[in-house]
Parts: sequence; C-alpha cells; structure tokens
Amino acid sequence: NAGVTQTPKFQVLKTGQSMTLQCAQDMNHEYMSWYRQDPGMGLRLIHYSVGAGITDQGEVPNGYNVSRSTTEDFPLRLLSAAPSQTSVYFCASSTREVTTSTDTQYFGPGTRLTVL
Amino acid sequence: TQLLEQSPQFLSIQEGENLTVYCNSSSVFSSLQWYRQEPGEGPVLLVTVVTGGEVKKLKRLTFQFGDARKDSSLHITAAQPGDTGLYLCAALSKLSFGAGTTVTVRA
Repeated sequence: NAGVTQTPKFQVLKTGQSMTLQCAQDMNHEYMSWYRQDPGMGLRLIHYSVGAGITDQGEVPNGYNVSRSTTEDFPLRLLSAAPSQTSVYFCASSTREVTTSTDTQYFGPGTRLTVL
Repeated sequence: TQLLEQSPQFLSIQEGENLTVYCNSSSVFSSLQWYRQEPGEGPVLLVTVVTGGEVKKLKRLTFQFGDARKDSSLHITAAQPGDTGLYLCAALSKLSFGAGTTVTVRA
C-alpha cells in the first residue's frame, strides 16, 4: 500500500494563479482532510470529508475549495493564490471521523507551496 | 490564542540525556494524541491517551495524560539522535493541534 500520496511536492505560484493540490489514499478510508502548517501555529484544518460526495469546512476554509467524487481522491483547489497561502499543506485520512473516534490519522508527505 | 499550548518551543540536548515536553490547555479533552514529524515528512502518530492519569510507554518514550484530562506530557529517556523531530500534541475531538516542540538530539 502506498498510504496517502500528495502531488506535487513543491510548487511556486504567482499571486492570482489557481492550482489543484492532489491527494489520494489506497486504504479505503472514509474520512479525509486537508491541513496547512505554518511556523508557530501548528496544523490548522482547511476542509474535510466524511465520505464520497460529502465535504465540510474546517477552521481556515477561505480561498480553498474541495470535492470528493471518489473514496480515494480529495483534491484541494486554490482559486486565486495569495501570498498568505504560502504554507505546507498536508492531506490526511482515517477510517472514521477523527472528532468521534481515536482511529489513527495517516498523513501524506506534504506539498510545499510558495506564492509570490 | 491556541487551544493547546506546547512547551518548550525548542529543545536541544546531548545524546543520552532525558527530556520532557508539555502540552497544556484550559479545556477538557476526551483524548489527546502525540505525533512526531521529521523534516520534509508528514506527522506520524505515536500514541493516543484517553483516560485521565493514564501512562503509556513506547520503548524510551513515556506519555502521561493529566488527571483532569487538560494536559499531557512526553518524556524521553536516554535520548538518541533518531529522536530528533517536531513533537505535536493534538486534541482531535476539537480538531486542534499544538504548535509543537522541536527536539534536537546532538550526537
């Protein structure tokens, strides 16, 4: 099993450009989520999904869109990149929703995004 | 203001020394998790504590959940360079992570 995979690993964008960060998991997990990690702030939840066709907002959703058409994939779209979106982005998955279970959450290796 | 406060922010010690990092909050949690993150990688779950006063051991790592379920600590005995990394605590019932403690163990 590959676990959770993310592409690309690095990306540089100009302000106003759009792009999609890809995330895929092969563990048949229902719950998937996107976080951003910034120095001194820990991981902050952007969006999450409890299953195919269902998504919801996290703590910092503005400027990002998600969709979940399959169990395996959960892409994150930046609509119009801003310098404030420079960060490291992590995708994660688990068997069940993490707020109500203690199931292990598996993280991908991250995408390092710089917006100029 | 973060829900989970971790201290210290940075810790650098010599191989063989012991260290303790802390995760504190004013809120009560049903469980707390500890992760280790190495440079260029995603966090990896080390342990989940669910009962107040619970102590869990993972080789040289000892995790404790406070009696009131508001805080937790991670103690590493005889640290090794392989213990180097960012240690994060998380309260997933509140979808909250601490900012982490960066631990460097010098050979």
